[in-house]
Amino acid sequence: GDSVTQMEGPVTLSEEAFLTINCTYTATGYPSLFWYVQYPGEGLQLLLKATKADDKGSNKGFEATYRKETTSFHLEKGSVQVSDSAVYFCALTLNTGNQFYFGTGTSLTVIP
Amino acid sequence: NAGVMQNPRHLVRRRGQEARLRCSPMKGHSHVYWYRQLPEEGLKFMVYLQKENIIDESGMPKERFSAEFPKEGPSILRIQQVVRGDSAAYFCASSPPEGKAYEQYFGPGTRLTVT
Repeated sequence: GDSVTQMEGPVTLSEEAFLTINCTYTATGYPSLFWYVQYPGEGLQLLLKATKADDKGSNKGFEATYRKETTSFHLEKGSVQVSDSAVYFCALTLNTGNQFYFGTGTSLTVIP
Repeated sequence: NAGVMQNPRHLVRRRGQEARLRCSPMKGHSHVYWYRQLPEEGLKFMVYLQKENIIDESGMPKERFSAEFPKEGPSILRIQQVVRGDSAAYFCASSPPEGKAYEQYFGPGTRLTVT
């Protein structure tokens, strides 16, 4: 079936460190891929997306590249800030479907 | 343009009571989706509705849960006879009539606590 597997947390980094959160997927069709961020006590906010292979999504210094050959969509940021502390969810949706499939989330804490 | 609105933001119910969660989609959106997030887990799809129609309820528990999206007013997720295991955050998303699933916009969620 369709699913997303993402790196388990929690992840703790010092400010200005490099961030990678791994995400791989299984899909029966041609998915679109997403990263969502959830700050404490809040709902989901779309961070970035990519709708076809080799696309790169980027926003607020975060990037992820849709790699069909490795079925991956890893999230990266070159220099994290304390304000990036949140839970990050990788997700996919099929262009023919109606729902999102979410990973279990990775909690990131950035310390000064 | 207001985003997806959900109320209440927090809801406390005792076991056996009913919980009613409301979702007002973004202006112009006619498709609504409900997701549940259990503690320490990702969101899981529950149901997809269009105005007056349930399109896909493959993620809904077979008993006690129901959803509607009437012609007028918000979408309602109803949980009857709540149990402790229903404690979770319930998120609603909406998309435009011509949109695809990836155009879903999420609300802030309702956190249900069953005591």
